[in-house]
This record gives sequence, C-alpha cells and structure tokens, in this order.
Amino acid sequence: EIVMSQSPATLSVSPGERATLSCRASQSVSSNVAWYQQKHGQAPRLLIYGVFTRATGVPARFSGRGSGTEFTLTISSLQSEDFAVYYCQHYNNWPAFGGGTKVEIK
Amino acid sequence: QVQLQESGPGLVKPSETLSLTCTVSGASIRNYYWSWIRQSAGKGLEWIGRINISGSGNYNPSLKSRGTMSIDTSTNQFSLKLTSVTAADTALYYCAGSPHYDILTGPWGQGIVVTVSS
Repeated sequence: EIVMSQSPATLSVSPGERATLSCRASQSVSSNVAWYQQKHGQAPRLLIYGVFTRATGVPARFSGRGSGTEFTLTISSLQSEDFAVYYCQHYNNWPAFGGGTKVEIK
Repeated sequence: QVQLQESGPGLVKPSETLSLTCTVSGASIRNYYWSWIRQSAGKGLEWIGRINISGSGNYNPSLKSRGTMSIDTSTNQFSLKLTSVTAADTALYYCAGSPHYDILTGPWGQGIVVTVSS
C-alpha cells in the first residue's frame, strides 16, 4: 500500500500571497498524481492530474510539479475562493489520498 | 448538466450490510466510470470502488472483499453494498462519475452520511 503524506497540515496565507503545498509518496508513483480542492460542505473538485495538467476550468494560478515520490501544488496568488482543504491522490495502483492541507486566511 | 444523488439508510447496525444507490441524471450510465468514495475523520478520503458498464467492479483492497458494486441501466443507477460493517465504516459516502479510470473529474453527488451503530 502506497501512503501519501501531506505537509503542512495547515498553511496560513494572506490573500495575494503564494502558497506551496507538499505531498510525499511512500514509494515511487511515477507521474500518477492528482490534486483536489474541497471546500466546506462540498465534494472534492479535481484541480490537477498527471502531476501538472490542470483540469477543465481550473485557473492558471494553480500549478503542480514533481515526480517519483515528491510533489508540490503551488497557488501563485491566493484568492478568497482558494481557502479550502487540498488533497493529493496517487493512482499508481489502487488510488489513495493524502491527509490534506488546510489553507486558511492569515 | 449531469447530476448524481445518493440514497440509502443513514443508520446501519454493526455486522449488517450497508446498501447505497446513486441515481444519475442528465447522462447515460453507459458512459463513464462510476465510483464510491467515503470520507471520515479517522481515515480521511477513501476510494471504495469503481465500475463501468463493460466489466466487473474494482475495489479497495483494504475492504477485504466486503464491497460489491452494480449498475442498473434501466434505472440509470449504480449501487454499493458493503457487508459486515463496523463503526469504522461510519462516514460521508459520495458517488462520483468520471471518464477516467483512476482520477475523479466529477460530477459528484452531495454525499450521504452513514452511521454504523446499534
């Protein structure tokens, strides 16, 4: 079983600032990583798959990078609607999610 | 616009079978992969299983063969049965669809809370 670990658990950021979220896999997952955003009371929303490909309608301020076991999601300039919980997910074998990073207003 | 709606009992007794149904509107269930995902404070997000019209379901190995999914094309619904439930199966259960096998583009249902308790 591949475990996805996200850090930090909580990230306090001011609007307009850059946020960088990390995700580490317990073993290589190649480029089989996706990121989701979940707002309170809503289902998760796919942001990025294949490490860096933005899903339809996702703003360009969201970007992903990484390979193997280390991955990052960067939000270049945080907007009010970006404060949420973000999850990474691998799909190298049975898909599994990380524990999430909450991005909160500083 | 494709919409999904979960339905089923909100309370299930330990050792019994949890049964949920997802009704798909605005699209044919013959398209897409259809999945069940759950979310709990203890285990976070878990992808339970997925199915499409072409084959049998695929399930999270951690379920130890307790899960079964099915598709009903006549009602445009798909279902989940989870046997021998325990308190650890208490969660918010989502259904979702995706054209991809292993990423969840959506749409998603709004979720249904299922509590396992006597």
